[in-house]
Amino acid sequence: AQRVTQPEKLLSVFKGAPVELKCNYSYSGSPELFWYVQYSRQRLQLLLRHISRESIKGFTADLNKGETSFHLKKPFAQEEDSAMYYCALTGSARQLTFGSGTQLTVLP
Amino acid sequence: SQTIHQWPATLVQPVGSPLSLECTVEGTSNPNLYWYRQAAGRGLQLLFYSIGIDQISSEVPQNLSASRPQDRQFILSSKKLLLSDSGFYLCAWSVRRTVVGYTFGSGTRLTVV
Repeated sequence: AQRVTQPEKLLSVFKGAPVELKCNYSYSGSPELFWYVQYSRQRLQLLLRHISRESIKGFTADLNKGETSFHLKKPFAQEEDSAMYYCALTGSARQLTFGSGTQLTVLP
Repeated sequence: SQTIHQWPATLVQPVGSPLSLECTVEGTSNPNLYWYRQAAGRGLQLLFYSIGIDQISSEVPQNLSASRPQDRQFILSSKKLLLSDSGFYLCAWSVRRTVVGYTFGSGTRLTVV
């Protein structure tokens, strides 16, 4: 079975501070990991995926197979980063399993 | 371009009443279709997914059912709503056989009273 754990329901940081949203997963094969974001009054949308090795809006995430983690990081948080963030995993069945989400608030 | 429509946006229904939420996708063929529920404090839970017409898989046993009468139409239903069915329901689609990522609808806020 595949499982995604986001240990923090709420996370607050000050503008300009580094931010890390934690994500750990459980999957016996080779998973594909994603981060989705939902800004206030907007649709849930894809932020980034590990296979692309991309940086979107200053966010990066590295897949650590040894620690089974896929933490989302940004060196300098901005107020517009405030949103709900979901880590998600897909395996061979091609279905996305989401974590419970972390509500990030960036304080001025 | 591909678009996904989901309606209604909000719905208040009494306990015991039926439910029908509709989702349609435009601009693509043979999509994978999904229904998720986002309950307060509980994240996103996959309810149903479909890889084709009349091919529905249920992930969680519950009071709900899903149907796919047409290739790009996915319907979430219930014969008798329970209070616990309240939540935010999201429809999503993805390209079959790839993991490009899902595209989500705007969601339906269901309140059962």
